[in-house]
Amino acid sequence: DTEVTQTPKHLVMGMTNKKSLKCEQHMGHRAMYWYKQKAKKPPELMFVYSYEKLSINESVPSRFSPECPNSSLLNLHLHALQPEDSALYLCASSQDTGTDTQYFGPGTRLTVL
Amino acid sequence: AQTVTQSQPEMSVQEAETVTLSCTYDTSESDYYLFWYKQPPSRQMILVIRQEAYKQQNATENRFSVNFQKAAKSFSLKISDSQLGDAAMYFCAYKTTSYDKVIFGPGTSLSVIP
Repeated sequence: DTEVTQTPKHLVMGMTNKKSLKCEQHMGHRAMYWYKQKAKKPPELMFVYSYEKLSINESVPSRFSPECPNSSLLNLHLHALQPEDSALYLCASSQDTGTDTQYFGPGTRLTVL
Repeated sequence: AQTVTQSQPEMSVQEAETVTLSCTYDTSESDYYLFWYKQPPSRQMILVIRQEAYKQQNATENRFSVNFQKAAKSFSLKISDSQLGDAAMYFCAYKTTSYDKVIFGPGTSLSVIP
């Protein structure tokens, strides 16, 4: 089973709201990733977690706060977002961060009003 | 810095025909991996094919095959017997073993004409 699930599928929020995106995988993968993707553009890496520790933060604004409660679960907490943060947020996982293929979830379509 | 270039923003192919998508990359690393990912409209990104740089043999997955030219830093994807379901954005991607980040190209939007 190569499934990565993400909830919610769609999210609309105001600039003063606090919301969270959730990502889950049950493949035993030890690396998990958050990406941001604008329409017709490639995914942009935001964060990498390896063995539940944050290993890469691609200079993401602090209004995005990742959390990895356990090896199967990855959250992205959102606060005080801007309209330009509207995008598709993709989660991915891989067996390890070294050479392994990343498997992507379906994404959460976020709209910030 | 590593970069990935896809020179064809859009391509089209007749159903049942063959199409080749181009990808070039720049790196000073010797050990790395290359990927082609497919993202249909409003659907999930999935791996099409993967190539290890140390392998001389080109990877093949059913109707999908690559032409990996390491010296030229070229990694093209050939789709044979194109089907309507092949219509998607195709991203070429690169990953070195020494860093956790996958670098994506800008993508090629493929249309399949019935």
